Amino acid sequence: SQQGEEDPQALSIQEGENATMNCSYKTSINNLQWYRQNSGRGLVHLILIRSNEREKHSGRLRVTLDTSKKSSSLLITASRAADTASYFCGQNFVFGPGTRLSVLP
Amino acid sequence: EPEVTQTPSHQVTQMGQEVILRCVPISNHLYFYWYRQILGQKVEFLVSFYNNEISEKSEIFDDQFSVERPDGSNFTLKIRSTKLEDSAMYFCASSGGRVNTEAFFGQGTRLTVV
Repeated sequence: SQQGEEDPQALSIQEGENATMNCSYKTSINNLQWYRQNSGRGLVHLILIRSNEREKHSGRLRVTLDTSKKSSSLLITASRAADTASYFCGQNFVFGPGTRLSVLP
Repeated sequence: EPEVTQTPSHQVTQMGQEVILRCVPISNHLYFYWYRQILGQKVEFLVSFYNNEISEKSEIFDDQFSVERPDGSNFTLKIRSTKLEDSAMYFCASSGGRVNTEAFFGQGTRLTVV
C-alpha cells in the first residue's frame, strides 16, 4: 500500500501546546506529503518532504522523515484553536485515515 | 490564486439514477484525481487520470464509475446507477506532476442518494 497510516487517530490538546502526529508507511518513497482537512472541506497541502531530506519546516510546522523506520512526524508548535482539523500523510496522493486534532481554547 | 472548482456543491439523487459530478482543474495541470469521503471516514482514492486515460484506480472504482475529460477544462465523474452507499463527499484534485508536486483539491460535492 502506498498510503500512510497516521497515529494517533485523535489528539486533543490545549491552545499553546505542541501537537505531534506520526505517520508510518510500507513501501519505499520518493516523497511524503502532509495535508490538512477542515471539517467537510477539501484537503490543503502543508508540506512535501523528499526521501533524501530528514527535516523540513514551514512556519509553525516541522516535518521529519526517517526512511530507515519508514516513518514521518508532523509537529505543530504553539497550537491555536484554528489548527483544529484532520491531518493526513500520504504519497502519490493516496492518504492514510488521518489524525483528528482538536485544539481547545 | 488558481483553484479547483467543483459543481454542484450538493447533489441529491434517487437510487438507481445516474449522476455526473463536475470539476474544473487548474488550467495548466496534467494529472487529475477523484476521491470519496463517506461521512466521518477517511479520504479514499478513487482514480487518477493523465493524458486522457486512467493511470490508476482503486478497488472502489468499479464498473459503475467512469471518468471523462470531455473538453480542455472539465473533468467529470459519472456514477451510472447510484446506490445508497454512494452517499459521500466527492473531491476532485489536480496536480502539475505526478512526483514531488502538491495536489490542489476542490471543495467537494456532497452526494446524497435517497
